Amino acid sequence: GAVVSQHPSRVICKSGTSVKIECRSLDFQATTMFWYRQFPKQSLMLMATSNEGSKATYEQGVEKDKFLINHASLTLSTLTVTSAHPEDSSFYICSASSPIGGRFYNEQFFGPGTRLTVL
Amino acid sequence: GQQVMQIPQYQHVQEGEDFTTYCNSSTTLSNIQWYKQRPGGHPVFLIQLVKSGEVKKQKRLTFQFGEAKKNSSLHITATQTTDVGTYFCAGMQKTSYDKVIFGPGTSLSVIP
Repeated sequence: GAVVSQHPSRVICKSGTSVKIECRSLDFQATTMFWYRQFPKQSLMLMATSNEGSKATYEQGVEKDKFLINHASLTLSTLTVTSAHPEDSSFYICSASSPIGGRFYNEQFFGPGTRLTVL
Repeated sequence: GQQVMQIPQYQHVQEGEDFTTYCNSSTTLSNIQWYKQRPGGHPVFLIQLVKSGEVKKQKRLTFQFGEAKKNSSLHITATQTTDVGTYFCAGMQKTSYDKVIFGPGTSLSVIP
């Protein structure tokens, strides 16, 4: 399978600061990347779908001004949590998939996740 | 909107016993995927089912996709301690961007 990296793996920040999380597909071109949020012992909640070169599509209830997503290249998407608050503390996971006809079409490869703690 | 449900939420089995988790979607799916997440890890893709009534096997794991493409199951024969983890089904509904919706998962514990 393909490899997706995420950085940082863990971040602790003060309330009101912004945090940027990077998601990279290391060995394939990911035209689509997904950002999820996972609370302890719960499922993955899709936050947004990011297509390279276009604006992200946010799920209902996810504030686009709060969670800024940029997908500037075929191997990199970033999620910025702006003015973070304690309720934003969670496990954020990205995944990547490749285009139609690609080797990994429809299969999602997940990054290792980022544990965000807002004090 | 689309909802994906999964039962049971938790399952504790003795090593060697079989295990089954069931997944149900409120809408017809274009395909269904199964993932496994070990404690402290990230989800790992197991398989994708596309055709109505499809059955696929991976060693001790058997995956089925219902005829109506709204339900699926994962069956593990003779569980081992390495099977411990949470199993998620994820239904894909054709949209402009092929998003998947994850079920709540079934957490499997295997007692040695």
